[in-house]
Amino acid sequence: NAGVTQTPKFQVLKTGQSMTLQCAQDMNHEYMSWYRQDPGMGLRLIHYSVGAGITDQGEVPNGYNVSRSTTEDFPLRLLSAAPSQTSVYFCASSYAQAQETQYFGPGTRLLVL
Amino acid sequence: RKEVEQDPGPFNVPEGATVAFNCTYSNSASQSFFWYRQDCRKEPKLLMSVYSSGNEDGRFTAQLNRASQYISLLIRDSKLSDSATYLCVVNINNAGNMLTFGGGTRLMVKP
Repeated sequence: NAGVTQTPKFQVLKTGQSMTLQCAQDMNHEYMSWYRQDPGMGLRLIHYSVGAGITDQGEVPNGYNVSRSTTEDFPLRLLSAAPSQTSVYFCASSYAQAQETQYFGPGTRLLVL
Repeated sequence: RKEVEQDPGPFNVPEGATVAFNCTYSNSASQSFFWYRQDCRKEPKLLMSVYSSGNEDGRFTAQLNRASQYISLLIRDSKLSDSATYLCVVNINNAGNMLTFGGGTRLMVKP
C-alpha cells in the first residue's frame, strides 16, 4: 500500500492564482481531512469528509474548497491564492472517525507571492 | 486561550535523561487524547493514544488528568532518535469528527 499520497510536494503561486492540491489514499478509509501547519500554530483543520459525497468545514475553511467524489480522493482547491495561504498542507485519513489513528501524507509546501 | 496548549520548548536533554511534557486542553467534554511525533520537515505520526488509566509503551508513558484537564508524556532513557516535535492532540468536537492539535513541544536529545 502507498498509504496517503499528496501532490505536488512543492508549489509557488502568484497572488490570485488558483490550484488544486491532490490527496489520495489506498487504505479504503472513510474519514479524510486537510490541515495546514504554520510555525507556532500547530496543525489547523481546513475541511474534512466522513465519506464519499460528504464534506464539512473545519477551523479555517475560508479560501478553500473540497469535494469527495470517491473514497480514495480528497482534493483541496485554492480559489484565489493569497500570501496568507503560504503554509505546509497535510492530508490525513483514518478508518472511520477522527479519533482513530490518523495517517498523514508527506505534505505540500506552498508559497504564495 | 488556545483549545490545546503546549510548551513549545525546546527541551534540551542529554542521552539517558528522563523528560516530561504536559499539555492542557480547554474542553472538559473532550473524549480522545493522543500524542503524535513529527520529525523535521516530515508528517506527523501517531506515537500513542492516551487512556484514562494511563498507558505505557516501552520507554514512553502517557497519562490523563481529567480533573485538571491535562495530559502528559514521559520519556525515559532518552535516545538521540527521540529528537523530534511532540504534538498533543485532542478530540474537541463531541461528534467525534474533529481533532485539535497543540503547537507541539520540541525535544532535542544531545550526546
